[in-house]
Amino acid sequence: GENVEQHPSTLSVQEGDSAVIKCTYSDSASNYFPWYKQELGKRPQLIIDIRSNVGEKKDQRIAVTLNKTAKHFSLHITETQPEDSAVYFCAASMGGTSYGKLTFGQGTILTVHP
Amino acid sequence: DARVTQTPRHKVTEMGQEVTMRCQPILGHNTVFWYRQTMMQGLELLAYFRNRAPLDDSGMPKDRFSAEMPDATLATLKIQPSEPRDSAVYFCASGSQGGQLDEQFFGPGTRLTVL
Repeated sequence: GENVEQHPSTLSVQEGDSAVIKCTYSDSASNYFPWYKQELGKRPQLIIDIRSNVGEKKDQRIAVTLNKTAKHFSLHITETQPEDSAVYFCAASMGGTSYGKLTFGQGTILTVHP
Repeated sequence: DARVTQTPRHKVTEMGQEVTMRCQPILGHNTVFWYRQTMMQGLELLAYFRNRAPLDDSGMPKDRFSAEMPDATLATLKIQPSEPRDSAVYFCASGSQGGQLDEQFFGPGTRLTVL
């Protein structure tokens, strides 16, 4: 089955700096890669996703890049703010007309210091 | 703003007791997922349903866990008998699989503590 590795496990940055979280996946058939943000005690919420027919996607301060050949994808957060502090999870699945089963990475605890 | 709902939000029980968790997916979503979250294992998929039919429950301990969808508005996850190692947050998520719609919407979770 699919295996997703996520790094780093913890990341500490100063407000205004950029943060990058990286994930690798094992199954070349995976074609949907979402990123979820989970604040303490809350539910995971989708912040951005990318499909295998796209190399990069951007939404305001967050962006995701995908390298299908190397089977890795990354989350980039620019101009970080204290409210970006949370646990971030990457995931991979065979989406679309397939069953949509997500395999999650282990999570990255991001702390943004004011 | 449609949301997935789960009950109860918190459950404390003693080892050996039966636990039932309920989930109401977003109206119109055809796929329901059950996840378990612990510090050690992260987010693990336990089981999921499409159009109320179970598609995969390979992540679930079969001897004590069972998942059902009695109708399109209710999914249940039961543990019988419960054990301390079942203590975790259990999330339900729903989505509308097919085409290009893949986003899964998570419920608030049930925090289970088994003493």
